[in-house]
Amino acid sequence: SYVLTQPPSVSVAPGKTARITCGGNNIGSKSVHWYQQKPGQAPVLVIYYDSDRPSGIPERFSGSNSGNTATLTISRVEAGDEADYYCQVWDSSSDHPDFGTGTKVTVL
Amino acid sequence: EVQLVQSGAEVKKPGESLKISCKGSGYSFTSYWIGWVRQMPGKGLEWMGIIYPGDSDTRYSPSFQGQVTISADKSISTAYLQWSSLKASDTAMYYCARREWGVDTANNWFDPWGQGTLVTVSS
Repeated sequence: SYVLTQPPSVSVAPGKTARITCGGNNIGSKSVHWYQQKPGQAPVLVIYYDSDRPSGIPERFSGSNSGNTATLTISRVEAGDEADYYCQVWDSSSDHPDFGTGTKVTVL
Repeated sequence: EVQLVQSGAEVKKPGESLKISCKGSGYSFTSYWIGWVRQMPGKGLEWMGIIYPGDSDTRYSPSFQGQVTISADKSISTAYLQWSSLKASDTAMYYCARREWGVDTANNWFDPWGQGTLVTVSS
């Protein structure tokens, strides 16, 4: 399967910008999707197709993808953004998803 | 509103069988694949398999093939995940989620997710 590597943790002060990376071999050629999972809750889609936001997701959440790294950016971080974040791609050859290792975002 | 509602938490003993459910509403249940994802305590997301309720076409992750059975009853818009003989290592939260796609049907994601079913296996 396709390996997606994320940093285990990212810390950020309120009001600052958090950047969460997702590394994979030539990931820029794939579409990357991102999920937010708050403690005790189910994952929620926050970005799909690299940079599209589902309805209801704040504009503070944005995404990019190029080369070997995709990035989820959270601007003007709030305490409520504290969560685990997972990237995901779809392996079309074997028709299954691959999830990243997950990043815990801590708001200082 | 598109919604997936899962069955409640279960506590089982090793060797027992179990079937948990995921009921879809607010959309055409037979037109979307439903996936199952495992999350062991303190760990990340692991894809287990997916089913197309329209014709019960099912795909399994190699890691879970033969370990679980995924099924669906389209008459009641419900997908299932079952075990014939549970192990302590099956203790985890299990999520169902609807497979979504856009213009590019080769690139899919999951949205929405069910609230999760906690399965605890202990003697």
